[in-house]
Order: sequence, then C-alpha cells, then structure tokens
Amino acid sequence: AQTVTQSQPEMSVQEAETVTLSCTYDTSESDYYLFWYKQPPSRQMILVIRQEAYKQQNATENRFSVNFQKAAKSFSLKISDSQLGDAAMYFCAYASGSRLTFGEGTQLTVNP
Amino acid sequence: GAVVSQHPSWVICKSGTSVKIECRSLDFQATTMFWYRQFPKQSLMLMATSNEGSKATYEQGVEKDKFLINHASLTLSTLTVTSAHPEDSSFYICSARAAKSGTGPNSPLHFGNGTRLTVT
Repeated sequence: AQTVTQSQPEMSVQEAETVTLSCTYDTSESDYYLFWYKQPPSRQMILVIRQEAYKQQNATENRFSVNFQKAAKSFSLKISDSQLGDAAMYFCAYASGSRLTFGEGTQLTVNP
Repeated sequence: GAVVSQHPSWVICKSGTSVKIECRSLDFQATTMFWYRQFPKQSLMLMATSNEGSKATYEQGVEKDKFLINHASLTLSTLTVTSAHPEDSSFYICSARAAKSGTGPNSPLHFGNGTRLTVT
C-alpha cells in the first residue's frame, strides 16, 4: 500500500520569506501523480500544485514550486514570498489509479 | 466552473438517528465521487469510492452497513450515517471527478466544502 509521510506537523515563516514543506512517499508503482493541497480554516480543499512522476522537470505555479526527487521518493513544496493568505494546513497527496492518499498534513503559520 | 456542493455544511443529531449528507456536482457530470472523513487536525481518510450506477467500494475498516453510499445519478452522491453514535462525529468531505476529464489519477478532483457532523 502506498503511504505518504509529512514529518513536519507545524511550520512557521515570516511574511515575504521562503518556506519548504517536506513530503516523502512509499510506492512500488512507476507511474503516479503527486499533489499539494491547501486547506484553510474554511476547510475547503484547494489544489496548489501537481507533478507527474514521469516528468523530470519540477512543477511551478507562481510562488509555489516543488522539488521532486523520484529516486528518493521525496516531494517537497517551496513557497516563496510568503503571504498571510498562505496560512493553512498543507497536505501532500499521492495518486495512482483513482485513489488519492493524503499525508498527515503540515500546519503553516505566516507571521507578519 | 467545476463546483461541488455539499449539504448540509453542519448537522447535529441525536445518538441512534440517521443523517444523510448530499454531494452534488453543479456544473459537470461526475462518474466517480469519493467520501473522506477528517478528524480535527488530522488528515483526510478515504472512506469509499462511488461510481454512478454501481455499488460503492469501501476502504478496509469502513462499515458499509453503517455508512450507506448511493450514487444514483451523474450529479449526486449521498452518504447516510445510520444509527449514529458520538464516535461518528467528524468532518466529512466529498470530492468528484468530472466524467469528461477521464478516470486517471491526474484527472482533477473537485472538493465539496465538507459537513461537520456532531452526534450528541
């Protein structure tokens, strides 16, 4: 079974600074997808960024980028120029087939 | 576009009663819908996968007779918590995958806003 591990229950960052959230996963599949979701206090799940495992190039979405290390099964999220609105719970997720498996989450606090 | 409406957003019920939660795709057809459960400050745990017109597939450890899932149309899936107990109190979230986007893992998932269930 696939597992997703986020080793940082909580992180904090100063506004305008950069923060990196860690994620590792375990799988025997070769074709899969990885995601980062954001869950603000409203509890709405918001897709932040996605990465196809077969692509070597790291995905980027404006201030959000990933460092995908397939051999190490690592998928970290970097948030640049952090904003107060980035404060939320962030979940790393793995998908192969139709199922989506989430990590435990990292609560990100942005300090003004 | 791609809005998923979940209703109710919160519900309080007495122990022993049943509660139905609806998940509707408002502007797209969803062949597959997923039901998750989330305890406070914890991750989303997949409970079951429902496909339109067929029986739901439940995850290991989820009681299918307690959590009844019906996906009768391409725009509606329901989760009924039967004979609810206080330990069923949780946050329930549905997500839907659009029919036209395929069924692969890269197909976008659209999430509802969730339902907070409190059983007294």
